[in-house]
Amino acid sequence: SQQGEEDPQALSIQEGENATMNCSYKTSINNLQWYRQNSGRGLVHLILIRSNEREKHSGRLRVTLDTSKKSSSLLITASRAADTASYFCATVLYGNNRLAFGKGNQVVVIP
Amino acid sequence: NAGVMQNPRHLVRRRGQEARLRCSPMKGHSHVYWYRQLPEEGLKFMVYLQKENIIDESGMPKERFSAEFPKEGPSILRIQQVVRGDSAAYFCASAQQDLETQYFGPGTRLLVL
Repeated sequence: SQQGEEDPQALSIQEGENATMNCSYKTSINNLQWYRQNSGRGLVHLILIRSNEREKHSGRLRVTLDTSKKSSSLLITASRAADTASYFCATVLYGNNRLAFGKGNQVVVIP
Repeated sequence: NAGVMQNPRHLVRRRGQEARLRCSPMKGHSHVYWYRQLPEEGLKFMVYLQKENIIDESGMPKERFSAEFPKEGPSILRIQQVVRGDSAAYFCASAQQDLETQYFGPGTRLLVL
């Protein structure tokens, strides 16, 4: 069954603004990963957060994980036009190596 | 260090033909995963392989689909007797270890006419 579910599905913001996406899941996870996909292209790994971590940063990205609420958020600060893409969260369950992807968030950053 | 490589990038087949999709993992990676992405949807897991072994094929359709990862050479996803519903983007990912970051290839876009 599909694990990750992102909210909102589509987001349009002005360049320089922050973009926040949320992801919820249903069962216990080993880790959660965020990926970016530009239109018609492959996926680029952004960040991995483990179940015993609460927050991670990578450049302009900030990811939080709340295992009690079974949710994660991805924050992109000071967005740029080049951040325009679809963003997917994907979970890895204990004892299960596969990534379970959500449907994705389409983010459009307007210059 | 080259990333995950997939070929062909685009593949057109007529109904009933066979499709062979290849994936070369990153150097040093022995774990390979295949995913399928239908238009406007997220990726769905198909199969997880290590060298010469299929570890988890729970996402593979029971018929017409098969995968291998031989001791030498790329991983192959094979679709026999393709149907229009097989049209999708097929992505391969590799990882160095179990439960670690998976790095994705550019995908193969299969179109069945």
